[in-house]
Amino acid sequence: QVQLQESGPRLVKASETLSVTCTVSGDSLSTYRWNWIRQPPGKALEWIGYIYNSGTTNYNPSLKSRVTISADTSKNQFSLRLRSVTAADTAMYFCARARLGMGPRFDYWGQGSLLTVSS
Amino acid sequence: SYVLTQSPPVSVAPGQTARVTCGGNNIGSKSVQWYQQRPGQAPVLVVYDDTNRPSGIPERFSGSNSGSTATLTISRVEAGDEADYYCQVWDSDSDHVIFGGGTKLTVL
Repeated sequence: QVQLQESGPRLVKASETLSVTCTVSGDSLSTYRWNWIRQPPGKALEWIGYIYNSGTTNYNPSLKSRVTISADTSKNQFSLRLRSVTAADTAMYFCARARLGMGPRFDYWGQGSLLTVSS
Repeated sequence: SYVLTQSPPVSVAPGQTARVTCGGNNIGSKSVQWYQQRPGQAPVLVVYDDTNRPSGIPERFSGSNSGSTATLTISRVEAGDEADYYCQVWDSDSDHVIFGGGTKLTVL
């Protein structure tokens, strides 16, 4: 059974860097695409980016200049770093596995980690 | 960039049929996924590649996609179907994922 679990600080100060880690069990990071998706309170889902085969990454162009997704295969974890955060980055951050078919589909999700940016 | 526009909130009585639409330029040429998100929970995939259901998803959930509109149909709606529903596509040119704005389904 594949499981994903987000972890990290829940409060970040404006202008600092947000970091959150996803620990994967029941699967290997060397397969599939591993994604970050966020959802501001009361708003829609927004795809942030993915890491594939522990090295290939691709990011949402609206966040690309501030985002880095990396992986630690020894711990079966992948992480998100978002620099220079503002209140607009306050959101629930989900990690999710993307299985490829005719297009990627997110078949396993973490329960989410609510990150708040304070001024 | 590619934009997905979902239908407004919908309210249906139990046992009736609910339809949620997702519009996009020539969306019929893309693979569409649908997710159900109940309050306080992570999204759950209910339809993928336009018409397919993952294991464990009831047959009451079905999808279609043609032209400029994809549709999620929920037959014999139950109270537990009350949730937000999101469509999602993949832009193969940029290898980016796009979500729609979500549609809230209320069961009366």
